[in-house]
Amino acid sequence: NSKVIQTPRYLVKGQGQKAKMRCIPEKGHPVVFWYQQNKNNEFKFLINFQNQEVLQQIDMTEKRFSAECPSNSPCSLEIQSSEAGDSALYLCASRTGEQYFGPGTRLTVL
Amino acid sequence: AQSVTQPDARVTVSEGASLQLRCKYSYSGTPYLFWYVQYQRQGLQLLLKYYSGDPVVQGVNGFEAEFSKSDSSFHLRKASVHWSDSAVYFCAAGQTGFASALTFGSGTKVIVLP
Repeated sequence: NSKVIQTPRYLVKGQGQKAKMRCIPEKGHPVVFWYQQNKNNEFKFLINFQNQEVLQQIDMTEKRFSAECPSNSPCSLEIQSSEAGDSALYLCASRTGEQYFGPGTRLTVL
Repeated sequence: AQSVTQPDARVTVSEGASLQLRCKYSYSGTPYLFWYVQYQRQGLQLLLKYYSGDPVVQGVNGFEAEFSKSDSSFHLRKASVHWSDSAVYFCAAGQTGFASALTFGSGTKVIVLP
């Protein structure tokens, strides 16, 4: 079973507000991924890190999304100005071999 | 472009019956392949994985999957389902390398009838 921890489990924001979610990867897993799962079960890869360094990120992440994985602190994903289309389940995964997922943060933007 | 296709959006089976969920992939080279299960829109739980070798891989809770390179498929099977198997199942593919993100299929919702 996965030991990836994500907080909060639910997040409700108004349009234009900041939304921040956190992830503690499994101990010893050097790579962390963030995915967005929408209500149609479409997954979108957002960004990944190896230790504290960004490996890959998509264009969407570069604009309103920011993320970091500081040493000895939880990783975080922040949306600077939430939009209705950002409502989704945000999943964090960590890996050594296969990816193990946390329970997700369900963001609702009103 | 890399893609994973799950042609069945929904499958309904009776408890005790067998189950097969289909997955086709389109990838350059041979990808790593996975099946995950998601209960009630929670996180994804890994059922099984295929990297190489024996094309039939065993997973948790009696699930197994068979890889076919010629057919570009990785179908999931279970001999006898239980009501607790009701969930959404996702097939996913990735490449070698730590930075490789997964490509997911659209999922198959399994409903097990008592």
